[in-house]
Amino acid sequence: KNQVEQSPQSLIILEGKNCTLQCNYTVSPFSNLRWYKQDTGRGPVSLTIMTFSENTKSNGRYTATLDADTKQSSLHITASQLSDSASYICVGRGGGSQGNLIFGKGTKLSVKP
Amino acid sequence: GAVVSQHPSWVICKSGTSVKIECRSLDFQATTMFWYRQFPKQSLMLMATSNEGSKATYEQGVEKDKFLINHASLTLSTLTVTSAHPEDSSFYICSAMGHAWDGYTFGSGTRLTVV
Repeated sequence: KNQVEQSPQSLIILEGKNCTLQCNYTVSPFSNLRWYKQDTGRGPVSLTIMTFSENTKSNGRYTATLDADTKQSSLHITASQLSDSASYICVGRGGGSQGNLIFGKGTKLSVKP
Repeated sequence: GAVVSQHPSWVICKSGTSVKIECRSLDFQATTMFWYRQFPKQSLMLMATSNEGSKATYEQGVEKDKFLINHASLTLSTLTVTSAHPEDSSFYICSAMGHAWDGYTFGSGTRLTVV
């Protein structure tokens, strides 16, 4: 069964600190893995898209890693800001021209001053 | 590039009425559009997939007669919630995919409240 599991479910950190969010995926056939940021009441915004051959990809203070062998991904946020408070969603995409997106339930991050 | 505009951002309607939500791709041709529903603290749930000019494919458990999807052009898809009931209150999000890349671009979502 295709599924994406994220941990932790929620996380509270102080402004300026770093944090790492985890994602385990079982998607077959596998095309790519994406991380999205979703602010409350808004649509998801893409942070990174990684194929199985990519180990690391950065987007500003966001760095995603992918281990295709263990089927794990992480999203590392450096020097957190208050505006980083949001839900972070890990999404696996299946193979084929219209491969389905398999959504994780997200990690709700709260950055406190 | 790759902007998807979704309107309205929120709507309140009376039970029994119909509501139309629009999703437009502003700077690309969206060959495929997806409609999702998201309940509080839950992940996005795919409702249906539509290809331009074709009938939408609905996920199991989604009533096609209640959630009417039209994708008549490469830049516009609409979702109409017919005879809305309070249990239809939710956050509806569209996403679009074009020919040229593998990105799914999401709209900003529509908060529907049925009273």
